[in-house]
Amino acid sequence: AQSVAQPEDQVNVAEGNPLTVKCTYSVSGNPYLFWYVQYPNRGLQFLLKYITGDNLVKGSYGFEAEFNKSQTSFHLKKPSALVSDSALYFCAVGERNAGNMLTFGGGTRLMVKP
Amino acid sequence: ETGVTQTPRHLVMGMTNKKSLKCEQHLGHNAMYWYKQSAKKPLELMFVYSLEERVENNSVPSRFSPECPNSSHLFLHLHTLQPEDSALYLCASSQRVRGNYNEQFFGPGTRLTVL
Repeated sequence: AQSVAQPEDQVNVAEGNPLTVKCTYSVSGNPYLFWYVQYPNRGLQFLLKYITGDNLVKGSYGFEAEFNKSQTSFHLKKPSALVSDSALYFCAVGERNAGNMLTFGGGTRLMVKP
Repeated sequence: ETGVTQTPRHLVMGMTNKKSLKCEQHLGHNAMYWYKQSAKKPLELMFVYSLEERVENNSVPSRFSPECPNSSHLFLHLHTLQPEDSALYLCASSQRVRGNYNEQFFGPGTRLTVL
């Protein structure tokens, strides 16, 4: 069985400061990992994904995430937060070549204050 | 979001009504999904249609009934709903390649209120 955990319900950060949104996962085999963002009253938007290759993945809007196999983590990061980054962020995991659907985390609300 | 469209965007219905939610994807994908998103709850996968296969979450009540007439269209038929079914219903699509479900593209959702 696969699972994903987002340990923080909410992350608060000041504008201009770096931000990190945490995600840890559990799969039997090789994972593929995703980050999505959801703005109020909208669907989820794809931000970035890790399949194979470079552990540092760059995505939309200046976000990046680092795949860490030993810590089974895939934290989302951004060097300088914007107020407009305030939204709900979801991590998702799947197992490569296993035919399993993605499992989503519970979401983390990011609040960026001016 | 124009890749996946959902109608209606908002729906208010009584417990005895029958209504349907519609989803259409313009991305050429071969898998479509229905999710339920309630306040303070994780995304709940309800149904998946992929390559003519249907997968369902066994915890979804029978008052929700999906229909997928082709790879571009997905419906969710609703009947005798309960107030706790009020939620945002999200449709998504993705391309399934050799068993791997790739990134999903979501529609804007239908905000459902059951009175």
